[in-house]
Amino acid sequence: EVHLLESGGGLVQPGGSLRLSCTGSGFTFSGYAMNWVRQAPGKGLEWVSGISGSGGNTYYADSVRGRFTISRDNSRNTLFLQMNSLRAEDTAIYYCAKDGLGYNLDYWGQGTLVTVSS
Amino acid sequence: DIQMTQSPSSLSASVGDRVAITCRASQTISTFLNWYQQKPGKAPKLLISAASTLHSGVPSRFSGSGSGTDFTLTISSLQAEDFATYFCQHMYNRPYTFGQGTKLEI
Repeated sequence: EVHLLESGGGLVQPGGSLRLSCTGSGFTFSGYAMNWVRQAPGKGLEWVSGISGSGGNTYYADSVRGRFTISRDNSRNTLFLQMNSLRAEDTAIYYCAKDGLGYNLDYWGQGTLVTVSS
Repeated sequence: DIQMTQSPSSLSASVGDRVAITCRASQTISTFLNWYQQKPGKAPKLLISAASTLHSGVPSRFSGSGSGTDFTLTISSLQAEDFATYFCQHMYNRPYTFGQGTKLEI
């Protein structure tokens, strides 16, 4: 059974940094691209970033490019999101999501809440 | 970026009803269109990929159709557990944008 577990969320001041982690199990982690998707309180879903299975290719939404860095450690089955220069509008639940076969996000973690506030 | 527009934003229905939710893309996306269901306090779950392919374990009362720019999610006979928010999403190119969501209420 596929399982994704995020951690690392919390309260941070504007301009601060936070690193999220997502550990996967139940599948060959290195064989799949992974993504971060966020959801502001009471709002819709926003794709934030993606990374290929090898980690060699990374992708970002314009809203986070230059501030966030996605990476992965396939030896530890773990996905990361380093978030710098955080803003109030980055406040959201951050989900990691696995790429499925054929262009979909087939499994999601339970999410971790990031709150940017002074 | 490709914009995804869902309608309606909210929908009131009853158990047993047949309902349809539509999603329109701002440019053609072939069939690179997915539907997700989200219940309060939970992560989204994949229902349908490639516009019409049911994800493993999803009941057959859910179906999807469409290609190009116009897509539809249909629930043939609503069950109590189907009351949730539904999102469409394209994966034609990055960024993978989502529709704003349709809240299905009793």
